[in-house]
Amino acid sequence: GAVVSQHPSRVICKSGTSVKIECRSLDFQATTMFWYRQFPKQSLMLMATSNEGSKATYEQGVEKDKFLINHASLTLSTLTVTSAHPEDSSFYICSARPGQPSNEQFFGPGTRLTVL
Amino acid sequence: DAKTTQPPSMDCAEGRAANLPCNHSTISGNEYVYWYRQIHSQGPQYIIHGLKNNETNEMASLIITEDRKSSTLILPHATLRDTAVYYCIVRVAKTGNTPLVFGKGTRLSVIA
Repeated sequence: GAVVSQHPSRVICKSGTSVKIECRSLDFQATTMFWYRQFPKQSLMLMATSNEGSKATYEQGVEKDKFLINHASLTLSTLTVTSAHPEDSSFYICSARPGQPSNEQFFGPGTRLTVL
Repeated sequence: DAKTTQPPSMDCAEGRAANLPCNHSTISGNEYVYWYRQIHSQGPQYIIHGLKNNETNEMASLIITEDRKSSTLILPHATLRDTAVYYCIVRVAKTGNTPLVFGKGTRLSVIA
């Protein structure tokens, strides 16, 4: 099956700093990538949808200036959490979808962010 | 996409079959039933999907009722490694950029 990787797997940062998370599709080209966030004991919540070469579409309540998404190539999307605060501590998961005809969605292993 | 209802938690003895139910009474004719699972601190993993016929793969079987208003995921011989949260998701097959939307799922605990 298709493989999606994330880097780093775990990051600890100080409050006020910015953190970048990378999401790569290793063996396919992803025209669309999704970013989810998951708090402890809760389900995955969609944050944004990004298409290669265009601006990301953010879900209601997600600040686009705080969570910067760049999808510059068909195999890489990045999520930057700017001026991170403790309440941004969460498990961030990316997901990638190849172009048509496949409609499958493949998930990365997740990145655990802890903001001190 | 139609809404799904799942029990919040279930227990299963190791080696026995785990039967996870899902209600999707508002499913429409072009919507598929998908199952994913998430093992603790990992990304979701695809299990199986189906439209109206029962499906089986190396991981599980999916039984969909004739009226398609409910389905059951069957893990035939559950192991401790099957302990995870299982998500039942209903969606149209060709959805373009529409992402998977996760409900609360069922937390399955496989007990030795």
